[in-house]
Amino acid sequence: DVQLTQSPSFLSASVGDRVTITCRASQGIARYLVWYQQKAGKAPKLLIYGASTLESGVPSRFRGSGSGTEFTLTISSLQPEDFATYYCQYLNDVPYMFTFGQGTKLEIK
Amino acid sequence: QITLKESGPALVKPTQTLTLTCTFSGFSFTRGEVAVGWLRQPPGKALEWLAVIYWHGEKHYSPSLQSRLTITKDNSKSQVVLSLTNVDPVDTGSYYCAHRREKTYFFDLWGQGTLVTVSS
Repeated sequence: DVQLTQSPSFLSASVGDRVTITCRASQGIARYLVWYQQKAGKAPKLLIYGASTLESGVPSRFRGSGSGTEFTLTISSLQPEDFATYYCQYLNDVPYMFTFGQGTKLEIK
Repeated sequence: QITLKESGPALVKPTQTLTLTCTFSGFSFTRGEVAVGWLRQPPGKALEWLAVIYWHGEKHYSPSLQSRLTITKDNSKSQVVLSLTNVDPVDTGSYYCAHRREKTYFFDLWGQGTLVTVSS
């Protein structure tokens, strides 16, 4: 089954910064990679699917890219509301299971 | 508008069975390729998928927890129920139900979550 590894696990940045989070798959997964944002004490929120398609309502400063085994989530100009934990996710066929990365916590510097 | 809400006990004793209910609105299991999943998150840790049930009754479970999990649906009540047997303190965490968008591989809408503590 596919394993997802995110880096870094923690990221400290300032408002206005450009940040990039990486998600690496243990084997090729084409572009079937999803990103979620989770704020403290809240449920996850879908950000990006298909590696790069923005969910409706998600600001354009969020950008997803990649294919195969390496994917990135880039936030072009951090806003105060972007400080959260970000997870990548893949649906494995055999065994059938939704797999998540370990998360990247984005904190205010 | 799709909404989901989890309900169940906040505190469960070790070895007991945890039963959680997801009550949803805005969609029906009787049409469309609908699915509802359960996921959890121990305090300070990553998301973990537990189970999913599809509109036609097909079910899938996390391989590591399969022997302890049961997921069912009640179309008439718009509910999905998850049972986890023989709970342990490591099962403590927030439990979420979520809607899987039709014909996709992700959860597009989530409930607010319910915190479950396993302790004697």
